[in-house]
Amino acid sequence: DVVMTQTPPSLSVAIGQSVSISCKSSQSLVASDKNTYLNWLLQSPGRSPKRLIYQVSKLDSGVPDRFSGSGSEKDFTLKISRVEAEDLGVYYCLQGTHLPFTFGSGTKLEIK
Amino acid sequence: EVKLLESGGGLVQPGGSLRLSCAASGFTFTDFYMSWIRQPPGKTPEWLGVIRNKANGYTTEYKPSVKGRFTISRDNIQNILYLQMNTLRAEDTAIYYCTRGLGLYWGQGVMVTVSS
Repeated sequence: DVVMTQTPPSLSVAIGQSVSISCKSSQSLVASDKNTYLNWLLQSPGRSPKRLIYQVSKLDSGVPDRFSGSGSEKDFTLKISRVEAEDLGVYYCLQGTHLPFTFGSGTKLEIK
Repeated sequence: EVKLLESGGGLVQPGGSLRLSCAASGFTFTDFYMSWIRQPPGKTPEWLGVIRNKANGYTTEYKPSVKGRFTISRDNIQNILYLQMNTLRAEDTAIYYCTRGLGLYWGQGVMVTVSS
């Protein structure tokens, strides 16, 4: 299975600050169709996860442009600019290139 | 509006079986892959398997650790996704979610507890 190593495990930030979360995969996530199926999800407290970003950098509808994704091959980053209170929760990366699909271990974002 | 509503969870004894359902609405069900994902309490989500869409013959793929015990199927008339779970173990205790594709839309989840 592809191992997704996500860091840091937790972050505590003040409103308005920017943060970055890293996700590294044990194999390249470039698929045979040349797309890279790396997603970022947010699980707010008590809620189902919600996808924010797909294919590394594409924002899902309704996701604020404070969120951005970047990276390639095996190294990916989620950046949140100007953190807001509603951003708290656990962020997961999820690879959809290689079966079985696998999640990172999560990054818990807390607001100071 | 896309809606996914899981049902069928509950308490089951080790070795028992359970069938989860996921009622889908708001989209053309046969056009989409559907997945099951579970999340043990306080832990990371875990992808269990997928059933492809009509164009891809409704074929299935599974996480190896559940292959042979879990079966994903779909009723394309009633727009319901199923997860049949057999020979359940304590480590299968989790919230079970259905998703459209891989993660854009999720249900609210249903709790399965395997305990004597």
